[in-house]
Amino acid sequence: GAGVSQSPSNKVTEKGKDVELRCDPISGHTALYWYRQSLGQGLEFLIYFQGNSAPDKSGLPSDRFSAERTGGSVSTLTIQRTQQEDSAVYLCASSLEDTSYEQYFGPGTRLTVT
Amino acid sequence: GQSLEQPSEVTAVEGAIVQINCTYQTSGFYGLSWYQQHDGGAPTFLSYNALDGLEETGRFSSFLSRSDSYGYLLLQELQMKDSASYFCAVRPYNDYKLSFGAGTTVTVRA
Repeated sequence: GAGVSQSPSNKVTEKGKDVELRCDPISGHTALYWYRQSLGQGLEFLIYFQGNSAPDKSGLPSDRFSAERTGGSVSTLTIQRTQQEDSAVYLCASSLEDTSYEQYFGPGTRLTVT
Repeated sequence: GQSLEQPSEVTAVEGAIVQINCTYQTSGFYGLSWYQQHDGGAPTFLSYNALDGLEETGRFSSFLSRSDSYGYLLLQELQMKDSASYFCAVRPYNDYKLSFGAGTTVTVRA
């Protein structure tokens, strides 16, 4: 079946603009995660959605970052008033509720803020 | 929070064996996962140890010892395509999300 998809694959934006990143998880996966990865670095957790529960937003770096998940499927990560330090690859992953140790990652969105 | 430590880089020749250690400081967790990420690609799941001991999947094996707060990923018969970054990760008991190590970059030379 189809894997996790993300769009756009690349996004170049000017400092101060808002951006929206989209993630389409694997069908049937109730858990959805957003991570950020800077060049050559590890995975920084941003936010986690599980079914209809309130999301875990503990990893969001500032109030400029927000995310939503509609209908328990597609998720959108929004970054307002982008800054140069927001430049990174934003990865989305999904998993079954009981097997969060096995996450399936999308190809990522490479965000460049100029 | 959780703290997982891995070596930053390992270099080896084709056909060799590489062991990537992951030491952690956490009060309790469900198990230890390993992910592989090729340059420019997405992380992919490799293995999971829920219990202490060795799990073998082809050329790759993973080990966990909770008493020693230690695990490792063993790559055998190294191939050029194994050049990638490898991340260990744990899911703490009081959480649903994974905490990842900083990753180990493995470079395989001919």
